[in-house]
Amino acid sequence: KAGVTQTPRYLIKTRGQQVTLSCSPISGHRSVSWYQQTPGQGLQFLFEYFSETQRNKGNFPGRFSGRQFSNSRSEMNVSTLELGDSALYLCASSSLAGWEQFFGPGTRLTVL
Amino acid sequence: SQQGEEDPQALSIQEGENATMNCSYKTSINNLQWYRQNSGRGLVHLILIRSNEREKHSGRLRVTLDTSKKSSSLLITASRAADTASYFCATHPLTDSWGKLQFGAGTQVVVTP
Repeated sequence: KAGVTQTPRYLIKTRGQQVTLSCSPISGHRSVSWYQQTPGQGLQFLFEYFSETQRNKGNFPGRFSGRQFSNSRSEMNVSTLELGDSALYLCASSSLAGWEQFFGPGTRLTVL
Repeated sequence: SQQGEEDPQALSIQEGENATMNCSYKTSINNLQWYRQNSGRGLVHLILIRSNEREKHSGRLRVTLDTSKKSSSLLITASRAADTASYFCATHPLTDSWGKLQFGAGTQVVVTP
């Protein structure tokens, strides 16, 4: 089976812009979780989607949003980018939410 | 904020030696997992231990879990240079749990030939 894929791998944006990141889960996995990784805060849970529904959300401002499509592919959007949004964004898919998660390579976002 | 602490923050050993790292967490859990990350790339799942288990083995990995102390340890035996990576423990909380793993800060392991 193909692994989790994320596009793009690298992204450079300026403050105030918005960005959309994409994640394709492993075939058959319906749960997709997103995480933000920074040197200061480490790995933090953003949200989880299952069958096109957001079931769980971390403590991030409303500028962070996501969605999931009927084929389980997921996107996350960050609006009005801030310098502090620079991070590695990881998505993970799972056949059983909260159990073993399979991570993609991440999208490294740099906000200038 | 992160779920807990990992100890040590960094570990440097030679090939063939054992590496032990510890993880403490704060809330009740369904399971605890260990992941490896190479150079800021995606995480790779290593092993999962359920809350009602005390020890688990997988190849050169041995994990223990003490839910009364809210702590876990990961032992890598006979380390290889390829084991150089950051290792994270992650807990699946008992509540508010859908798809959510809470990660520790990680232990950076360097294995020198």
